[in-house]
Amino acid sequence: RKEVEQDPGPFNVPEGATVAFNCTYSNSASQSFFWYRQDCRKEPKLLMSVYSSGNEDGRFTAQLNRASQYISLLIRDSKLSDSATYLCVVNSANDYKLSFGAGTTVTVRA
Amino acid sequence: DARVTQTPRHKVTEMGQEVTMRCQPILGHNTVFWYRQTMMQGLELLAYFRNRAPLDDSGMPKDRFSAEMPDATLATLKIQPSEPRDSAVYFCASGGQGNQPQHFGDGTRLSIL
Repeated sequence: RKEVEQDPGPFNVPEGATVAFNCTYSNSASQSFFWYRQDCRKEPKLLMSVYSSGNEDGRFTAQLNRASQYISLLIRDSKLSDSATYLCVVNSANDYKLSFGAGTTVTVRA
Repeated sequence: DARVTQTPRHKVTEMGQEVTMRCQPILGHNTVFWYRQTMMQGLELLAYFRNRAPLDDSGMPKDRFSAEMPDATLATLKIQPSEPRDSAVYFCASGGQGNQPQHFGDGTRLSIL
């Protein structure tokens, strides 16, 4: 079983729509959670950290459910520029390594 | 903004040649990671360092790959001899203390002919 699993998508949505997707992680000892964004042929970039109580950054909302071991990302009022692959990233308590999901592709159309 | 710097950005070479990729982590970051990304495999961790000491290189083919960190401002990844299957994008990332997020460089796009 992979450490981090994501629905690959693609999620094709019109501008202005809301899109949400989850990822699940297998290591219950995981302590830190992040969403990264990767554009085609570019490096992954940190989108936001995910906190236990959930957090929001503009149009982006992240949630963590430790009991069910999943995290979610919701994008409101989606823009064309939100088109990218979103990587779910998790690390464990005693390890500096990050485990990356394979990514969820989002395409926002005009 | 502080950035991770990788060189070269692109490298095309023939099979059997030595390839050296370099990374300058963000100043003050004490963990450095090397990843490889292909369309088929996604992002794979090859090796990582903390305070310049190698902590884990289990993701790296030992017979041809080597990773070093000669000083706090330079990490290197070498492939010798290179093979066509090594063609990929190689990313370096650095992170701060504890479970801080990692920041990636632009990557080296490597093509082995």
